[in-house]
Amino acid sequence: GESVGLHLPTLSVQEGDNSIINCAYSNSASDYFIWYKQESGKGPQFIIDIRSNMDKRQGQRVTVLLNKTVKHLSLQIAATQPGDSAVYFCAENVNNAGNMLTFGGGTRLMVKP
Amino acid sequence: GAVVSQHPSRVICKSGTSVKIECRSLDFQATTMFWYRQFPKKSLMLMATSNEGSKATYEQGVEKDKFLINHASLTLSTLTVTSAHPEDSSFYICSARQSRGPKTDTQYFGPGTRLTVL
Repeated sequence: GESVGLHLPTLSVQEGDNSIINCAYSNSASDYFIWYKQESGKGPQFIIDIRSNMDKRQGQRVTVLLNKTVKHLSLQIAATQPGDSAVYFCAENVNNAGNMLTFGGGTRLMVKP
Repeated sequence: GAVVSQHPSRVICKSGTSVKIECRSLDFQATTMFWYRQFPKKSLMLMATSNEGSKATYEQGVEKDKFLINHASLTLSTLTVTSAHPEDSSFYICSARQSRGPKTDTQYFGPGTRLTVL
């Protein structure tokens, strides 16, 4: 069936380096994508989103890239900090499917001091 | 903005009892709220979609009589786990979508409720 998945379950980076978390999706009808950050014992926190009519969107220290040709989504975190350590989920939304989100499996980001 | 709260944050109960979890959108109205369940080191699993003033829509495999959902107002949805058993122990998370505004398809999540059934 349609699914959203992630290539790497765990990513370890040095503090100050840039991080890139990848996500593959298979539903070509998806038109809205969101990245969430989840710290241990907490609910997911909205980070950044992008619609399918865009291929790049920037926030504060974060950038999301969307490649619809290969159905690939990435989250780039600049100058990664210890506070960025968490599990990151990508989620896709299909507008004509009740606006429900389908979540990927998650990537754990570990920032080494 | 777009703050969602849950209560309680943690609950421990005996097997056979019922537990109610509240989900509130604090600074916006939410026609639609969602209830998820999350197992350790796993992704979120959608249990049901809660619509204000109507019956919830349950995902396949989720027992509607076991997990009662009530969405009585535009800012409150409740999930009641009836006759809880140890296998119902999990992290329950709700989310809400704004009824109006530019981000009506973005889901904002609550902090979650850790349920432990003894």
